[in-house]
Amino acid sequence: EVQVVESGGGLVQPGGSLRLSCAASGFTFSHSTMNWVRQAPGKGLEWVSYISGSSSTIYYADSVKGRFTTSRDNAKNSLYLQMNSLRDEDTAVYYCARAEYTYNFSFDSWGQGTLVTVSS
Amino acid sequence: EIALTQSPGTLSLSPGERATLSCRASQSVSSRYLAWYQQKPGQAPRLLIYGASTRATGIPDRFSGSGSGTDFTLTISRLEPGDFAVYYCQQSDTSPYTFGQGTKLEIK
Repeated sequence: EVQVVESGGGLVQPGGSLRLSCAASGFTFSHSTMNWVRQAPGKGLEWVSYISGSSSTIYYADSVKGRFTTSRDNAKNSLYLQMNSLRDEDTAVYYCARAEYTYNFSFDSWGQGTLVTVSS
Repeated sequence: EIALTQSPGTLSLSPGERATLSCRASQSVSSRYLAWYQQKPGQAPRLLIYGASTRATGIPDRFSGSGSGTDFTLTISRLEPGDFAVYYCQQSDTSPYTFGQGTKLEIK
């Protein structure tokens, strides 16, 4: 069974840092592109970042570019999101989502999300 | 950036009725990279349609997608109680991979 599980969320002060993790299982992780998507309380979905299977291509939303860094460790079947210089508006549930070639790189498998709260 | 605009914002219908949701792109999107998702309260989104018209695994044939270029449509032929949720379109054609703002489908 394909599964992705996020962790690492919590309460952090503005200007602080946090590292999210996403543990993958049930599929060949190194062959899959991955994404981070967030959802602020009561709001819609916002795409945050994309990383290719080999980490050779990484994209970011303008809202996080220069502050967030996406990486992966294929040996550990894990995806990461390093978040620095956090702002109030970064408060959201953060989801990791697989994007497979089979599904034309739509997001076919999602985790349950991890809540990040930025507040003093 | 490709902006996706969904309409209506809220759609009030009764079980058994037909729902038609629209997604309009600010520039042409390859239909290969247009998807639809369903999200229920407290849950992660679920992939419904990819490639504009292909149902994901396990999605009933009451759900259908169509469109090309800048205009895409999600149709639910006969609404069931479990279909009332928020629906998002999304494009993976060009980074940033944008979502529409969502259409809330509520029981009338």
